[in-house]
Amino acid sequence: GENVEQHPSTLSVQEGDSAVIKCTYSDSASNYFPWYKQELGKGPQLIIDIRSNVGEKKDQRIAVTLNKTAKHFSLHITETQPEDSAVYFCAASFDPGGGNKLTFGTGTQLKVEL
Amino acid sequence: DTGVSQDPRHKITKRGQNVTFRCDPISEHNRLYWYRQTLGQGPEFLTYFQNEAQLEKSRLLSDRFSAERPKGSFSTLEIQRTEQGDSAMYLCASSFLTSGRNEQFFGPGTRLTVL
Repeated sequence: GENVEQHPSTLSVQEGDSAVIKCTYSDSASNYFPWYKQELGKGPQLIIDIRSNVGEKKDQRIAVTLNKTAKHFSLHITETQPEDSAVYFCAASFDPGGGNKLTFGTGTQLKVEL
Repeated sequence: DTGVSQDPRHKITKRGQNVTFRCDPISEHNRLYWYRQTLGQGPEFLTYFQNEAQLEKSRLLSDRFSAERPKGSFSTLEIQRTEQGDSAMYLCASSFLTSGRNEQFFGPGTRLTVL
């Protein structure tokens, strides 16, 4: 089955700096890669996703890049703000079209310091 | 608020008791997923439904666990004879089956504590 590794487990940045979280996956058939943000006591919230036919996707301060050959994908947050502090999870899935189970990484605790 | 609701939000039970959780997905979503999340880990897939059909179950889902989605709307997850190792956050997610989309929206979870 799919295995997703995520690094780093904790990340501390100064407000306004950029943050990068990296994930690798094992199953070359995986073609859908979402990123979730989870705040304390809440369920994961989808923040951005990317499919294997695209190398990069951007949404305001958040971007995701995908390297299918290396089986790497990364989350980039620019101009970090205190409200970005949370746990971030990457996930991977083989989606034939319409949905399938997600395999998650172990999470990155991001702390944005003033 | 994603529109996925779960009840109860917290459940404390004694070892050996049965518990049941409910998930109400976003109304037009025909796929419903259950995941389990332990402290410091990412969610782990348990099972999922398309409408009322249960399409896949993880090996994590022992025979003490059963899930239903009788009318293709809300779902229930029952754990019989709970064990301390069942203590976790149980998350429900839903998605709309349509070509090219797999966005899963999660509910707030039910936190189970088995004493």
